[in-house]
Amino acid sequence: DTAVSQTPKYLVTQMGNDKSIKCEQNLGHDTMYWYKQDSKKFLKIMFSYNNKELIINETVPNRFSPKSPDKAHLNLHINSLELGDSAVYFCASSQVSPRGYTFGSGTRLTVV
Amino acid sequence: AQKVTQAQTEISVVEKEDVTLDCVYETRDTTYYLFWYKQPPSGELVFLIRRNSFDEQNEISGRYSWNFQKSTSSFNFTITASQVVDSAVYFCALTPLGRSGGGADGLTFGKGTHLIIQP
Repeated sequence: DTAVSQTPKYLVTQMGNDKSIKCEQNLGHDTMYWYKQDSKKFLKIMFSYNNKELIINETVPNRFSPKSPDKAHLNLHINSLELGDSAVYFCASSQVSPRGYTFGSGTRLTVV
Repeated sequence: AQKVTQAQTEISVVEKEDVTLDCVYETRDTTYYLFWYKQPPSGELVFLIRRNSFDEQNEISGRYSWNFQKSTSSFNFTITASQVVDSAVYFCALTPLGRSGGGADGLTFGKGTHLIIQP
């Protein structure tokens, strides 16, 4: 069973559209995250949720809205997609002790 | 604020050579974790090692070894007798221990080192 699974793996869409990426973890972790990896491979945290509560909200456009229906799921909804949103988005979950982060396999978003 | 610097953008070596990937970090936290991840061409992030700031012992795992030096804020990674399969982007990352409810802090990543092992 995949520990952190995200869907879809690939997403190609036109500018201006709204899209969602789903993430689920079956590890029982309390905390989940979204990271963005840009074209230069730089990985940066976007959001973190702990037990459905938003903890970290980095400087991300308001067009990005995370939703956590329960602690096993953290979805990312993006409104009015722009070319600059093209990137790979990674979902992750973490345990407190020993500290460990498990990443999903990534969603490659291409905005055309 | 935290920062992780991987000054080597790209390294290219011939197979069987040893190679060291540098990682220097900055943090105001007195306790923290350091990580290394591998990202092969397939794109997934593969966990390699975790080290907490209390433990400065070096670690060896097969051909991989890590040198943690708190005095110089460095956590370097050495691959001995490199192989083509080691070709990947390697990331060093940092997270504080114990803030934000005990675990909601994410990882601060370096920009990665692209390692190319030529046959």
